[in-house]
This record gives sequence, structure tokens and C-alpha cells, in this order.
Amino acid sequence: QVQLQESGPGLVKPSQTLSLTCTVSGASISRRGYHYSWIRRHPGRGLEWIGYIYYGGNTQYNPSLKSRVTISLDTSKNQFSLEMRSVTAADTAVYFCARDDDSSGIGSFDCWGQGTLVTVSS
Amino acid sequence: DIVMTQSPDSLAVSLGERATISCKSSQSILNSSNNKNYLVWYQQKPGQPPKQLIYWASTRESGVPDRFSGSGSGTDFTLTISGLQAEDVAVYFCQQHFDRPFTFGQGTNLEIK
Repeated sequence: QVQLQESGPGLVKPSQTLSLTCTVSGASISRRGYHYSWIRRHPGRGLEWIGYIYYGGNTQYNPSLKSRVTISLDTSKNQFSLEMRSVTAADTAVYFCARDDDSSGIGSFDCWGQGTLVTVSS
Repeated sequence: DIVMTQSPDSLAVSLGERATISCKSSQSILNSSNNKNYLVWYQQKPGQPPKQLIYWASTRESGVPDRFSGSGSGTDFTLTISGLQAEDVAVYFCQQHFDRPFTFGQGTNLEIK
């Protein structure tokens, strides 16, 4: 069974860079047919898709965040990562990594990490 | 971006009764080439990640109780919980994956009356 687990600092200072890693177990991240996403939920608000990465390191980002975000793949560690630059308090959220599934379509997330709270504050 | 709008924002239903949540998209999310609606329903409980309940608007995820059902097509969709149970208390989200960026509804908070 596939499991995803986020890790990274829970507190980031304004204007600095938020860096999170998602470790995938139970499946090879190199396998074709899956897309690995980052999604966040602001306190008391809805969910926002940040972007995804897939086989070969190809990426797609939410245009609203594209200028500040990079998602990368480390196949040797079976991990993918999120880097978000120039953060502000508005980036305070619970960050989830997630995977979609061939049977339910790209962008239909059937497997999620537990989520990690990132607070942007000085 | 495709805007997803859920109603109501909050809903209180008695145990054993039916709960109905609506989700409307700002444009059609029906792919005419495969006749699939690119609409997913999730359930999120406090401290947990979202759990996929329904995909392709009406296909129940494996292991999801059959009291959960999804319907609709084009721009109007419904999640129905028939015979509400205490463990169904959660926030429910719809999401479209017809086009990027993938977008979610604002969520419906379901409580017991």
C-alpha cells in the first residue's frame, strides 16, 4: 500500500524559503502513470492545488503560485520536494503531498500524506 | 480558472436522515470524448487528510460505504449521504480535474442535528 509522508520545518520567517519533502513508500516514484502533487489548506479555508511532478521530472504549477514555486524529484530517495520562495503570512497553511491514480484520472487524489502545518512568522 | 461553488457552507442533519451537498462548476467539466465528468468528492475529518469518496462524479471509491452516492453532470453535481451516521461528521469538498489549475469547492461542514 502506498504511503506518503511530509517533512520539513514548521516555522518559516517572512521573505524566506519554505522547503518540504514528501517521502513515498510502497511504490516507486519513477513509475509512469502517476502524478505527485502538493496541495495546501489555509486555516479555516478550502484547498489549493500548488502543482505536480511526474515521470522524468516534468512539472505543472498553479499559475497563481508559479513564479515562487519549484517541485523537484529525487528518485534515489523516492522523494519529491516543494520549494516556495519569498513567503508571507498568507502562505501559512497545512501542506499535503498527494498522488493521483490512473483509474480515477490525473488530478484525482486517492492517496494523501497526513499533512504538515507550516507557519510563516518572524 | 474553473470556480467550484458548494452549498450550503454548513449543514446539520439528524442521525439516520439524508444529507445533500451541492457543487456547481463555473463551466462544464464533462469531457465529451469519454463522457466522463471530472469531478471528485472528498471527506476531511479534523487532523486527517482528505479522503477520496467519489470520482468521475458518481463512482464510489473502494471501501466507501454505499450510503455515499454522487450524481450530476456538466456543471451541477450532488453528494448524497443516505442514513447519516455519527462518523460522517466532517467537511466535504468537491474538486474538478477537468482543467489545470485543479480547483476545489470551499467545503461544506456537516454536523449532527
